Amino acid sequence: GQQVMQIPQYQHVQEGEDFTTYCNSSTTLSNIQWYKQRPGGHPVFLIQLVKSGEVKKQKRLTFQFGEAKKNSSLHITATQTTDVGTYFCAGGGTYKYIFGTGTRLKVLA
Amino acid sequence: EAQVTQNPRYLITVTGKKLTVTCSQNMNHEYMSWYRQDPGLGLRQIYYSMNVEVTDKGDVPEGYKVSRKEKRNFPLILESPSPNQTSLYFCASGKGGGETQYFGPGTRLLVL
Repeated sequence: GQQVMQIPQYQHVQEGEDFTTYCNSSTTLSNIQWYKQRPGGHPVFLIQLVKSGEVKKQKRLTFQFGEAKKNSSLHITATQTTDVGTYFCAGGGTYKYIFGTGTRLKVLA
Repeated sequence: EAQVTQNPRYLITVTGKKLTVTCSQNMNHEYMSWYRQDPGLGLRQIYYSMNVEVTDKGDVPEGYKVSRKEKRNFPLILESPSPNQTSLYFCASGKGGGETQYFGPGTRLLVL
């Protein structure tokens, strides 16, 4: 069945360093969503990418969808302690979603 | 306030004792879904519903049942819970069609 792999599993960075998480699907995705889950919290929607090669920015966060629509990345510039949490990608169809295993980010002050 | 609520938030039960986790949303969303979250496995979709009386299986439906009799409610039923269903469960709702999903606060279930 369809699988969505996400790397790395963990990442520790010093505050101010950049961070990137990558998402790879075994099949072509119609869209991809990104979520953030703070420790002890629930997933919160960040963004959705639909078009091949799409790039979207939200302040210090940059999201990319690959040309083949099989991979995606989330890049955070100059991390802050508020960026701590687990970042998930989710490959979506219309109603069925396959989540990546997540990347847990720790930011050291 | 727009929200997805789940009850109970925490539950300890024993093998074989039927239980229901409720989920309710006040955003008039057509789409609702249940996920379980386990360490190292991320979120896995159990069941989803595209509208009232319309449900379908996700990736891990075994041992679970759902119903969607009203638009706002989407209960998750474990008829005979087993220890491998110990997990953190999230309900989500959205407009469907690949749009944003809004997650509830989660229900932590322990099956002894």
